[in-house]
Amino acid sequence: AQSVTQPDIHITVSEGASLELRCNYSYGATPYLFWYVQSPGQGLQLLLKYFSGDTLVQGIKGFEAEFKRSQSSFNLRKPSVHWSDAAEYFCAVVANFGNEKLTFGTGTRLTIIP
Amino acid sequence: GAVVSQHPSWVICKSGTSVKIECRSLDFQATTMFWYRQFPKQSLMLMATSNEGSKATYEQGVEKDKFLINHASLTLSTLTVTSAHPEDSSFYICSASRSFGGSYEQYFGPGTRLTVT
Repeated sequence: AQSVTQPDIHITVSEGASLELRCNYSYGATPYLFWYVQSPGQGLQLLLKYFSGDTLVQGIKGFEAEFKRSQSSFNLRKPSVHWSDAAEYFCAVVANFGNEKLTFGTGTRLTIIP
Repeated sequence: GAVVSQHPSWVICKSGTSVKIECRSLDFQATTMFWYRQFPKQSLMLMATSNEGSKATYEQGVEKDKFLINHASLTLSTLTVTSAHPEDSSFYICSASRSFGGSYEQYFGPGTRLTVT
């Protein structure tokens, strides 16, 4: 079945440490790939996206993600997290390019400790 | 640019009444808007796709007679929750899509928290 998987429900990281959030997809063709961040009670903000080309994508707030076709993954990374990065992170895909519908993963909640 | 607003940001209503939520794209025209529902600590669930000038397309399991969607202009879509019940209490989020230069993006509103008492 077509799906987007975020294996980690909750991750705790010390401020200043590096971060990697995992995302795997299961689709026949390479979908459009997105990472969004949601602060409590807020809407979603786009961090970065991948459509084609360079597999390492730079986003806002110091985030980057790498598309690996062989692993069907699009993991989000940040070299040094800040307390303000604490939020919910969603990986999402557009698999059917005709209807533009986003399918979201279940999300990863990021907690930052001092 | 690419700002999407929602109104109201939160609403409390009594069971059996109807509530309308507005979604506006402030600085671009959106032929397609989407409505999502999000339960606490869960992911977003797509409810329907709203296309300007035509009927909305609802996802499987979403009651079209309960969640009325109107996309009257290129900048406004509304979601009306009719005869609301406590189980309709949720966080409703809209988005507007834009395609440009071979790219594509959805811009999300800040969400509307609905509480039905």
